[in-house]
Amino acid sequence: DIVLTQSPGTLSLSPGDRATLSCRASQSVGGSYLAWYQQKPGQAPRLLIYATSSRPIDIPDRFRGSGSGTDFTLTIKRLEPEDFAVYYCQQYDNSVWTFGQGTKVEI
Amino acid sequence: QVQLHESGPGLMKPSETLSLTCTVSGSSISNYYWTWIRQPPGKGLEWIGYYYHSGNTNYNASLKSRVSISMDASTGQFSLRLTSVTTADTAVYYCARSDSLDYFFDSWGQGILVTVSS
Repeated sequence: DIVLTQSPGTLSLSPGDRATLSCRASQSVGGSYLAWYQQKPGQAPRLLIYATSSRPIDIPDRFRGSGSGTDFTLTIKRLEPEDFAVYYCQQYDNSVWTFGQGTKVEI
Repeated sequence: QVQLHESGPGLMKPSETLSLTCTVSGSSISNYYWTWIRQPPGKGLEWIGYYYHSGNTNYNASLKSRVSISMDASTGQFSLRLTSVTTADTAVYYCARSDSLDYFFDSWGQGILVTVSS
């Protein structure tokens, strides 16, 4: 199974800063089947990005996904107070889904 | 609007069998992967397995010997069964729907905390 490794584990930033989160796969992720989720305490994860760089209609455009192969990035252009949360990447390959261990974005 | 809602016991004893149900509303059953995901307290997300509308299933290799997922399309419910639970199975269990084109989870239940303790 493909293992996803996220870095850094914790990102300490301020509102208005740019956040860059990394997700590295142990082998190439086919079909661009790479997604990102945001999770706040006590809540279910929320889909932010799918197919590497596509955004659901209700997600603000300050969230951008990019990458290919084994290296993927989630960029948050200007952090809003509500963006401080944990972020997970997820991939699909050969009928198996896996998640990264998460990156916490804290003030 | 798609809604998923988990139900089941909140407290179990070691060696018991966990049974959870997810009730789906506002969605066709076809062409989606109906999935269970769990999250131990303070930890990350772990994919457990899925049921596809055709009847196909697949499970996390680490749980395969203890887990099964089934679906009753007539009631819009799908279920998780996990045998011989231990304290390591203590987690929030989520049901979720995955798209079958780009394989992402676009709808989630609110989660149910299952605690295994003697």
